[in-house]
Amino acid sequence: EDQVTQSPEALRLQEGESSSLNCSYTVSGLRGLFWYRQDPGKGPEFLFTLYSAGEEKEKERLKATLTKKESFLHITAPKPEDSATYLCAVQAADSWGKLQFGAGTQVVVTP
Amino acid sequence: EAGVTQSPTHLIKTRGQQATLRCSPISGHTSVYWYQQALGLGLQFLLWYDEGEERNRGNFPPRFSGRQFPNYSSELNVNALELEDSALYLCASSLGLDPSSTDTQYFGPGTRLTVL
Repeated sequence: EDQVTQSPEALRLQEGESSSLNCSYTVSGLRGLFWYRQDPGKGPEFLFTLYSAGEEKEKERLKATLTKKESFLHITAPKPEDSATYLCAVQAADSWGKLQFGAGTQVVVTP
Repeated sequence: EAGVTQSPTHLIKTRGQQATLRCSPISGHTSVYWYQQALGLGLQFLLWYDEGEERNRGNFPPRFSGRQFPNYSSELNVNALELEDSALYLCASSLGLDPSSTDTQYFGPGTRLTVL
């Protein structure tokens, strides 16, 4: 059965304190791995799509990387506006269209 | 460019009633997806429609159903509402059916359904 596990569940950072979020997955054939951020009561906002091991993508203070078993979302010198829940999702080769989400990592960045 | 829109924003129903939720995809997108985000359970895949057809279905009972219209907008219907159906219902859209690609799904703001 496909599984997506995110850690830690929650992360509290000081402004400027870099850190990494982990997403480990078990899936029968990976079509793609997705990162989203979600603010309370709102829909997820798309960040990155990764397709194969070794791939990296960057956007402002965020960088996502992918291996065969896990993905990392690195937050460099975070600001309070980076506070959100970060969600990881995978799409399996045998379940077209369906995204399987992890439970998310809640990040709070304090000034 | 307008994003995915959903209506209503909030919906309050009583147990046993029916709820209808609506979604308009991003212009040019033909695929629409529905997800349920209940407290403590994370996002769960409900349904996927493309070109008016149901393409995939998550592990939900048949009282969760929907349809896609010729203009690619979609409707989610939940019959015989139960208390545990209270959740944020999210709609997403993507470019559409292409076996060679993995579509990125873009989400709307959601409809908060409360069942009393």
